Amino acid sequence: NAGVMQNPRHLVRRRGQEARLRCSPMKGHSHVYWYRQLPEEGLKFMVYLQKENIIDESGMPKERFSAEFPKEGPSILRIQQVVRGDSAAYFCASSPSTGGSSDTQYFGPGTRLTVL
Amino acid sequence: AQSVTQLDSQVPVFEEAPVELRCNYSSSVSVYLFWYVQYPNQGLQLLLKYLSGSTLVESINGFEAEFNKSQTSFHLRKPSVHISDTAEYFCAVKPGTYKYIFGTGTRLKVLA
Repeated sequence: NAGVMQNPRHLVRRRGQEARLRCSPMKGHSHVYWYRQLPEEGLKFMVYLQKENIIDESGMPKERFSAEFPKEGPSILRIQQVVRGDSAAYFCASSPSTGGSSDTQYFGPGTRLTVL
Repeated sequence: AQSVTQLDSQVPVFEEAPVELRCNYSSSVSVYLFWYVQYPNQGLQLLLKYLSGSTLVESINGFEAEFNKSQTSFHLRKPSVHISDTAEYFCAVKPGTYKYIFGTGTRLKVLA
């Protein structure tokens, strides 16, 4: 059973460009979470999605950031007009369909975004 | 608000020596507790978790952690470390249904 897949693993963008980060959850998982890890910090929750629905986006910056999890295909985290402060590792996690409180989240390898 | 504190940002230890990585949390509600390990340039891997039952939980590679409700701690221990244990270790709590709150991580450096 393949784990959570993320691509690209490394992404370099210039200020003002757009960044698209993809996440394919584990097979059978319909709950996806995105976290951001800034240098020297722990992971911070950004958004929680189920298929075609955003459940909780309380950790997302109000502007330039958006996320989706379509019926078909991977979840996408989109950052428009990137700035240097967006440089970080972005991790995706998934959990089983039940989405219960005791569910464990399984993490992907992350996408390391560098903004020049 | 809930928070997780990992007081030690770096822990150097010689091979075959014991190690303890400390984790304290604050929460007004019951929580689930986790330790994740991150090897260089890789994602987080679940090391062990406490959901309920026995307060002492173990991983397959010799780590163990004990949930102490009165001290709100979930320290990670290993009696004898190997070079391959060199990694960053994150403590996390899940106070609700899905949102993890992570500590800032502890870098374990095992020296030969």
